[in-house]
Amino acid sequence: GENVEQHPSTLSVQEGDSAVIKCTYSDSASNYFPWYKQELGKRPQLIIDIRSNVGEKKDQRIAVTLNKTAKHFSLHITETQPEDSAVYFCAASEEGNSGGSNYKLTFGKGTLLTVNP
Amino acid sequence: NAGVTQTPKFQVLKTGQSMTLQCAQDMNHEYMSWYRQDPGMGLRLIHYSVGAGITDQGEVPNGYNVSRSTTEDFPLRLLSAAPSQTSVYFCASGSDRTGNTIYFGEGSWLTVV
Repeated sequence: GENVEQHPSTLSVQEGDSAVIKCTYSDSASNYFPWYKQELGKRPQLIIDIRSNVGEKKDQRIAVTLNKTAKHFSLHITETQPEDSAVYFCAASEEGNSGGSNYKLTFGKGTLLTVNP
Repeated sequence: NAGVTQTPKFQVLKTGQSMTLQCAQDMNHEYMSWYRQDPGMGLRLIHYSVGAGITDQGEVPNGYNVSRSTTEDFPLRLLSAAPSQTSVYFCASGSDRTGNTIYFGEGSWLTVV
């Protein structure tokens, strides 16, 4: 089955700096890669996702890059703010019947991001 | 539209007891799943369903049963609770109509003593 490795496990940055979280996956059949943000005691919430036909995707201060050849993808947060402090999870899944995810997400173990004011 | 609703939010069980975690969604999503979250382990898939009457095992299915008699509901049953099942449980749903995004419920905190 799929195996997703996520690094680093903890990341501390100063407000305004950039943060980068990296993930690698093992199954070449995976083609859907979402990122979730989870605040303490709350549910994971999708912040951005990317599919294998796209190399990079941006949404305001957040961007995700994908390198299918190397089987790795990364989350980039620019101009970090204290409210970005949370645990971030990457995940991967294979294509489903309709061309999208088959919903069987395999998650990385998470990165605790702390943004210091 | 309440999204994904889980009950109970908190539960303490004694070893050997059984219980059911309820999950309901009102978005007519065909896909539903259960994950457990343990410190330092991320989220791991327990069971999932791609439609009413269809269920399948995920990564860590042992000790849990599910059924999907309706599109809306996907209960998770612990048959004989063990301390190793102390965890936070998240139900999730998704649909091809929403770009395959998976939406999580608020979680159920379960402690087995």
